[in-house]
Amino acid sequence: DAGITQSPRHKVTETGTPVTLRCHQTENHRYMYWYRQDPGHGLRLIHYSYGVKDTDKGEVSDGYSVSRSKTEDFLLTLESATSSQTSVYFCAIRAGGVNTEAFFGQGTRLTVV
Amino acid sequence: QQQVKQSPQSLIVQKGGIPIINCAYENTAFDYFPWYQQFPGKGPALLIAIRPDVSEKKEGRFTISFNKSAKQFSLHIMDSQPGDSATYFCAASRENQAGTALIFGKGTTLSVSS
Repeated sequence: DAGITQSPRHKVTETGTPVTLRCHQTENHRYMYWYRQDPGHGLRLIHYSYGVKDTDKGEVSDGYSVSRSKTEDFLLTLESATSSQTSVYFCAIRAGGVNTEAFFGQGTRLTVV
Repeated sequence: QQQVKQSPQSLIVQKGGIPIINCAYENTAFDYFPWYQQFPGKGPALLIAIRPDVSEKKEGRFTISFNKSAKQFSLHIMDSQPGDSATYFCAASRENQAGTALIFGKGTTLSVSS
């Protein structure tokens, strides 16, 4: 398995509170991604990073922010959690260049009550 | 705007059948088309991928067919087994662009009955 760890694996939080999810990799891959998975919507890209301090928005970025201060860590922050952000969040990594396979973490199940 | 459209949403086949999952894309700049397989409670994992310079690629019982002019590609699973029951996602990306990301379809839940 690719060296990618998401934490926490499960979290329940209250509406209006900030929440930070962490993705940690040991592969030294350049690209890191945050997706959310919801029934009927598949995997939707939230934000991604193509290097330290280089990030860009995906299709569902509203209400989320990210930071990447080190190659190995990509943080996703829900600034003020809402019930619509209840979801399973997946982090993925890719080396880039000719190696295009994306490796996914095990996911974080977030419930906002 | 949904850049990658996948169908059907769900599929039930008998063991030994050949399920076919279809995807269509809008952006002609896409040049990498992978399929991912996901089991319950797990993250998706790469199954097979194709580039637009070939029309077909086979890996074991899995085949991708690609039609560049129609902007469509499909996954065929030969001699399907109960262990193939999973959710399948097609995806697309622009590999020639820095900072590219995979755009996924909505997924197909496959059930193979024994």
